[in-house]
Amino acid sequence: EIVMTQSPVTLSVSPGERVTLSCRASQSVGSNLAWHQQRAGQAPRLLIYGASTRAAGVPVRFSGSGSGTEFTLTISSLQSEDFAVYYCQQYDDWPPAFTFGPGTKVDIK
Amino acid sequence: QLQLQESGPGLVKPSETLSLTCTVSGGSISRANYYWGWIRQPPGKGLEWIGSIYYSGYTWYNLSLKSRVTISVDMSKNQFALKLSSVTAADTALYYCAKLGDGRLFDYWGQGTLVIVSS
Repeated sequence: EIVMTQSPVTLSVSPGERVTLSCRASQSVGSNLAWHQQRAGQAPRLLIYGASTRAAGVPVRFSGSGSGTEFTLTISSLQSEDFAVYYCQQYDDWPPAFTFGPGTKVDIK
Repeated sequence: QLQLQESGPGLVKPSETLSLTCTVSGGSISRANYYWGWIRQPPGKGLEWIGSIYYSGYTWYNLSLKSRVTISVDMSKNQFALKLSSVTAADTALYYCAKLGDGRLFDYWGQGTLVIVSS
């Protein structure tokens, strides 16, 4: 099983700040990496797939990068609606044995 | 706009079988390259994929749950279902159904339904 880890566990930031979240896979997943946002009390929402492609309707302030085992999600200027938990998720191989990272919580400083 | 809605009992006794249904609206469950899946989230914890299905009946499951899980599809009702047998308190979670684009991307999610395992 591919194990996903994320850092930091929690990030306290102020609106307008730039945020960088990290995700690591226990083995290479190529670019088969997605990021999901989960606001409090809501279902997850797909933000990024293919490591760097924004899903439909996702603001341009969200960007993803990386390949292999190291990935990054960047929010260029944090908005109030961005305070949430962010999960990375790999979908390598076929059929994919999907695994999620433990999440990074972005909260208000 | 595709929508998914989970339904089923909110309370299940230990050792019994958890049964949930996901109703898909705004699109056909048998559309080509639309796959479907179940994911769960224990209270205050992260996400765990349970298993996935294609309308043809092709399924694949999380190996850690495979012995207890069955996912099926009912095209006449535009629904797919989850059965998890021999449940324990560790199966208490918010259960989500989701659409998988091309079998790989969880691009539409239901709102989730809380299932508590308790006597």
